[in-house]
Amino acid sequence: AQKITQTQPGMFVQEKEAVTLDCTYDTSDPSYGLFWYKQPSSGEMIFLIYQGSYDQQNATEGRYSLNFQKARKSANLVISASQLGDSAMYFCAMREPGAGRRALTFGSGTRLQVQP
Amino acid sequence: DGGITQSPKYLFRKEGQNVTLSCEQNLNHDAMYWYRQDPGQGLRLIYYSQIVNDFQKGDIAEGYSVSREKKESFPLTVTSAQKNPTAFYLCASSLLIGDRGPQPQHFGDGTRLSIL
Repeated sequence: AQKITQTQPGMFVQEKEAVTLDCTYDTSDPSYGLFWYKQPSSGEMIFLIYQGSYDQQNATEGRYSLNFQKARKSANLVISASQLGDSAMYFCAMREPGAGRRALTFGSGTRLQVQP
Repeated sequence: DGGITQSPKYLFRKEGQNVTLSCEQNLNHDAMYWYRQDPGQGLRLIYYSQIVNDFQKGDIAEGYSVSREKKESFPLTVTSAQKNPTAFYLCASSLLIGDRGPQPQHFGDGTRLSIL
């Protein structure tokens, strides 16, 4: 079973509008962390936002916010006021404890294109 | 400036040849990771290391080897046993402070490996 599912291979949004990128996850651990990364065409991975499973409030970082619905196991990324520079691949990832692994499991990504 | 340096940026491998990808970090991070990314897909974990002289296999370790002789360095060797090595390889590092809190992985700029 997929641990991280991103069902939107591609998304389009008009500049200055908000967009939501979907992410659902699967884990039996009560303690886990969820991350979103941005990957521009140049290839580097840029950390955007983090949500811990025990965090009471949804995470926010500037124009990025996370719509965390624990019971539904979803952690959707919301980008407000889209800019042309937001065009990139976006990956949702999960970190689970256990054996001290702490590596990330990534989804297949969503390609976001911001249109002027 | 602190960061992760991967080299080379582009690498070509001949049939039957082993090649080594370099990864150096000056962030004083304990943990280091290697991921493989195929076109249009997410990242998959090859190997990870939490301490010098210790490393663990990830999900797709076959055909790869690593070493961790220094905290700052985690080179990846793609051996001739890896029959489909063409991919984008990303190195990452992170702190290890418990299981809660962001502790995001910081990534290098990647190495693109192709077969001649």
